[in-house]
Amino acid sequence: GESVGLHLPTLSVQEGDNSIINCAYSNSASDYFIWYKQESGKGPQFIIDIRSNMDKRQGQRVTVLLNKTVKHLSLQIAATQPGDSAVYFCAEDTGNQFYFGTGTSLTVIP
Amino acid sequence: DAGITQSPRHKVTETGTPVTLRCHQTENHRYMYWYRQDPGHGLRLIHYSYGVKDTDKGEVSDGYSVSRSKTEDFLLTLESATSSQTSVYFCAIKGPSGDNEQFFGPGTRLTVL
Repeated sequence: GESVGLHLPTLSVQEGDNSIINCAYSNSASDYFIWYKQESGKGPQFIIDIRSNMDKRQGQRVTVLLNKTVKHLSLQIAATQPGDSAVYFCAEDTGNQFYFGTGTSLTVIP
Repeated sequence: DAGITQSPRHKVTETGTPVTLRCHQTENHRYMYWYRQDPGHGLRLIHYSYGVKDTDKGEVSDGYSVSRSKTEDFLLTLESATSSQTSVYFCAIKGPSGDNEQFFGPGTRLTVL
């Protein structure tokens, strides 16, 4: 099966600092890579995606970087806020199916 | 929550009993998915549907069946529940072709005793 992993299961950052969450993937044929945020007791929520032919994409306070050479994906959150505390998942979209990583728990320290 | 509801939200059942979880959408989206979420495994796809009566297996489909008789409803059935199927189940929908954003329901917490 597919393998999508995260380097660190937990991450703590000070409020106002930037956060970087990393992800490794194994399927070079994936069309899109996506980041989701999941707050306690809720379903995952789409944050940002990047197409496989791109290296970087920016959203509001978030940036996703894709390094296809080493099959690595990262999510950067600028000026991290307490509301950013959640579990973050990366996922691969192969067309019909999505494969999710195990998640990184981000804690923002006030 | 992008017009997705799941029912029931919580269920406790006994080993060997049949269980059906319902996902309902009001978005008229073609693709619907059932995932389970377990500690250390993230989200794993059970089954998905790409249209009415069109379904396919995901990576953890054993012990589960699905049905989609109309666009808005996607049912997940555990024919004979086992303790290993204790999990949180999420339904998701995907937008029109070319849009890969998935919208997730609130989840169903199932406990099999």
